[in-house]
This record gives sequence, C-alpha cells and structure tokens, in this order.
Amino acid sequence: DGGITQSPKYLFRKEGQNVTLSCEQNLNHDAMYWYRQDPGQGLRLIYYSQIVNDFQKGDIAEGYSVSREKKESFPLTVTSAQKNPTAFYLCASLRSRDRVMNTEAFFGQGTRLTVV
Amino acid sequence: AQSVAQPEDQVNVAEGNPLTVKCTYSVSGNPYLFWYVQYPNRGLQFLLKYITGDNLVKGSYGFEAEFNKSQTSFHLKKPSALVSDSALYFCAVRDMGGNTGKLIFGQGTTLQVKP
Repeated sequence: DGGITQSPKYLFRKEGQNVTLSCEQNLNHDAMYWYRQDPGQGLRLIYYSQIVNDFQKGDIAEGYSVSREKKESFPLTVTSAQKNPTAFYLCASLRSRDRVMNTEAFFGQGTRLTVV
Repeated sequence: AQSVAQPEDQVNVAEGNPLTVKCTYSVSGNPYLFWYVQYPNRGLQFLLKYITGDNLVKGSYGFEAEFNKSQTSFHLKKPSALVSDSALYFCAVRDMGGNTGKLIFGQGTTLQVKP
C-alpha cells in the first residue's frame, strides 16, 4: 500500500541533543512538508520541499533543519537550538507540483517528541 | 494576512443529532478549503475539500460542508452524529502565495459525541 511512514512513533530527547525524525513516502509525490502540532494551536509549518535538493523555511523554522536528497525522503532534525521541542510532528506530501492548489495533502501518523 | 478561524474549541452533541463544526477564513481571491479529522495520536485524515462549483461539498464518512462566500465560512456538517465521530477536526485553507501547496490551519475543534 502507498503511504507516508513516519518513525519513530515516540522519541525522547535529552537537553542539548539533536534528534532526527524520519519521513518516507512511496506515493511518488513531489512536495513534502513538516508541521508541528501543539495543543490548541493547530498545525504550524516548519519546512517544505517542492523538489529534490531544494527546500524552504516555513513559519517556525528556527531550531530545525531538513534535507531532501531523495524524492521519497524528507527527514527533520530537531537541533539543540530549538528551545521548546516537545510537540507532535507531522509530515505531509502532495501529489504534484502542477496541481498543488486544489490537491489534498496526505499525512503520516506523526512522531511525538518529548524532552526529558 | 491569510487565516482560518475555528471559533469553538469543543462541540458536544448527542448521538443521532445533527452536528456542525464552524470555520471561517480570510484569503484574497477564491479560496481552496479543506477539512481534516485527527484521532488521538494519529495523523490527519482528509475529509473533503471545496475548490469551485457547488457550495455543498460531500465527503467521507457522511460528512459534508457548506461554502458561503458572503460569510467567508466553510462549516462542516453531518445529519446524524455517531460516537465514533468523536475526534479533533481541522479546517484549512491553501496558502495563495507562490503556488507552494502550503496549508494554513485553524486551531482545531474537538467534537464529542455522547451516546
């Protein structure tokens, strides 16, 4: 079955550590996105990529980094510079760059990151 | 600035009764609007979208939404609620700048359906 796979489901980070969240899709989608979800705040965009080897900052990119070396993969690194990383992280993808306006996004099952 | 508002943090409804989850938006030009549902500790599932055409849009699991341009609203509705409809619902609008596919989300509304 095609879909988006996020791993791990739960992740614990110590203060000062960098951690990487995985997002893989086999939908042959061009565009991929990372959102952060906090209670009562909806989803906020961290980074997005519309094509391999290119990505753009979203609304809350500080303390995060990404790469897009392969079409299928869009990993997110939460660095020690992110002061409040505890949140639920969601990865999404879109079918085609040519129809991004009217096409629904597909979401992974999320990774819950907790700082310990 | 583009935005989406969901004025109710929580909606409570009895099973079998109709439900409405409200959403208003602010964008320049014609909006592209979406509803998603999220169950606990899961990702978002697409319910329905409005792109153009008929103002009443039908989606998954018996849900529908009514687009009202004059009121800039896109309320989610269902004629008869089920306990299994209890979840967190998000309204979203497509960011109209730059053809990036970005979505702007409301803060979410928790729907509680009681038996």
